[in-house]
Amino acid sequence: VQLVESGGGLVKPGGSLRLSCAASGFSFSRYNMNWVRQAPGKGLEWVSSISSSSSYIYYGDSVKGRFTISRDNVWNSLYLQMNRLRAEDTAVYFCARGDCSGGSCRLDLWGQGIVVTVSS
Amino acid sequence: SYVLTQPPSLSVAPGRTAVISCGGNKIGSSSVHWYQQRPRQAPVLFIYNDRDRPSGIPERVSGSKSGNTATLTISRVEAGDEADYYCQVWDSSRDHSYVFGTGTKVTV
Repeated sequence: VQLVESGGGLVKPGGSLRLSCAASGFSFSRYNMNWVRQAPGKGLEWVSSISSSSSYIYYGDSVKGRFTISRDNVWNSLYLQMNRLRAEDTAVYFCARGDCSGGSCRLDLWGQGIVVTVSS
Repeated sequence: SYVLTQPPSLSVAPGRTAVISCGGNKIGSSSVHWYQQRPRQAPVLFIYNDRDRPSGIPERVSGSKSGNTATLTISRVEAGDEADYYCQVWDSSRDHSYVFGTGTKVTV
């Protein structure tokens, strides 16, 4: 059971990057999935969520209009298309599985994280 | 935006008890979850639904809640407990967002 992120790297301000997250060992299509990021030396910040069938998608205020989350339940993969990147988007990006019950959701499985650096 | 407040740091001697608080005005009406993040590692779910332990989390770890404050307690602290700890609630009224606490660094 694991999540493995890829696609990070160094990009200039205003540029774009696409992150991927490969899931294995569980029924990917049954879970909502999420991206969470952590800026250097800072705490955790939720970025975006997508429901199991992609019917519901949500974004944090800091990335609305710039980032797009998507998934492919055939290939068991989660994606984050990041456009118009800013220096403040520099962070480790984690892919995380959501588990919801009793009217609340938590993140019960995390990837190892991938570094995104936005700098000229 | 909604804020969950935690003490920035806590120092505890081996064998003693670490108590970490998480405060916010929606905590009383929400389930609280806790994560442990060891240095240079990904977070791990540590406590869910206020007080339940995921498989593999030892019994010396416990969670509780009273009013608008949730508490994570780690008894008989070990060197391996040195980590950052974050509380989290899910806000269904605002973009179905995961709201994290400010984080507490525990030094053993």
